[in-house]
Amino acid sequence: SQTIHQWPATLVQPVGSPLSLECTVEGTSNPNLYWYRQAAGRGLQLLFYSVGIGQISSEVPQNLSASRPQDRQFILSSKKLLLSDSGFYLCAWSVPRRGDTQYFGPGTRLTVL
Amino acid sequence: AQSVTQLDSQVPVFEEAPVELRCNYSSSVSVYLFWYVQYPNQGLQLLLKYLSGSTLVESINGFEAEFNKSQTSFHLRKPSVHISDTAEYFCAVSLDRGSTLGRLYFGRGTQLTVWP
Repeated sequence: SQTIHQWPATLVQPVGSPLSLECTVEGTSNPNLYWYRQAAGRGLQLLFYSVGIGQISSEVPQNLSASRPQDRQFILSSKKLLLSDSGFYLCAWSVPRRGDTQYFGPGTRLTVL
Repeated sequence: AQSVTQLDSQVPVFEEAPVELRCNYSSSVSVYLFWYVQYPNQGLQLLLKYLSGSTLVESINGFEAEFNKSQTSFHLRKPSVHISDTAEYFCAVSLDRGSTLGRLYFGRGTQLTVWP
């Protein structure tokens, strides 16, 4: 069976510090991978998606970046965090097939102070 | 451009009462439609989805949703709710019918609270 992991689960960082959130998927090959951010009362916003190693597409301009160094590893990064980067970050994967379900990880709660 | 509107941010109901969570979308192309549920401090889980065919789709725990193309709606219903249904519910659309990208665009969510 497939599983998706995210770490850390919780993170408190000062403004201006760097960020690295990691997501890994087990039990599947060549998945589509996605990063979402959930801010209070604003639903989920798609940040990045990837269809393969090294292939990253950004949905919104921001000071975050994403990388996919391995087939089942997806990393969300920032060089300098802003207060507005606070939120709940969710990674998801899907089989690259029309209409396929996205499966979400447990999320990372990021607080920028 | 596409958008998903969940008309109610909070829906309080009593146990065993019926409930409807509303979702409307705007899109100039055909879409796939999804409902996800999120329990506190957890990721999202798929509740049900509409891809094609019958406009009424059901989940294993008694929820159902009906795709209405003319009204561009995909409302979620349950005839009798349980306390364990208390959670946040998200409606989402995918415009990628012609590809395998599978990007989802979510509404702001509806917090369903079931009281005893």
